Amino acid sequence: AQTVTQSQPEMSVQEAETVTLSCTYDTSESDYYLFWYKQPPSRQMILVIRQEAYKQQNATENRFSVNFQKAAKSFSLKISDSQLGDAAMYFCAYRSPNTGNQFYFGTGTSLTVIP
Amino acid sequence: KAGVTQTPRYLIKTRGQQVTLSCSPISGHRSVSWYQQTPGQGLQFLFEYFSETQRNKGNFPGRFSGRQFSNSRSEMNVSTLELGDSALYLCASSLGVGSGTDTQYFGPGTRLTVL
Repeated sequence: AQTVTQSQPEMSVQEAETVTLSCTYDTSESDYYLFWYKQPPSRQMILVIRQEAYKQQNATENRFSVNFQKAAKSFSLKISDSQLGDAAMYFCAYRSPNTGNQFYFGTGTSLTVIP
Repeated sequence: KAGVTQTPRYLIKTRGQQVTLSCSPISGHRSVSWYQQTPGQGLQFLFEYFSETQRNKGNFPGRFSGRQFSNSRSEMNVSTLELGDSALYLCASSLGVGSGTDTQYFGPGTRLTVL
């Protein structure tokens, strides 16, 4: 089964600074999709950013960008100009067409933003 | 479009009881997945329903079951509740077609407490 590993249970960042959250995954598939989800305290989980494995260009959504290293099976999330509202649990997720529609999630990284 | 809704939002039950949770997906979404979220275990996949059929199943005992109706609404049932079943139960809907743009959208969750 595919596994997704987030090795940083907790991270902190100063407001306005940049932080990078790590994610690695294990797969033998060549076609798959990667996601970062954000879950603020007591609030709904929302999609932050998505990357297709066949695309070499790293995805970007405003202050959020990824560093996708396919050979290394690494998918890190960079948050620039961190804001207080970025404080949340961040989950990395993987999906492959060859495993149906099942999503595989990492254990999450809790991000604290320090004013 | 309305988002994913889950009812009830909070439940308190005692050991041995059974419980039914409900999830209404985004209009047009045919796939509904259920997850159990606990502080120690993170997000654990329970099962996925697509067009009224269980398509994927996680590693949970048979006390956990689900179903999906023709309007794509889904219910999850837990029988003979145990203390360890206390968790946030998340429902996520998606188109279910496995294409690159297919993304899971999460509901707010049902917080189940077993006493």
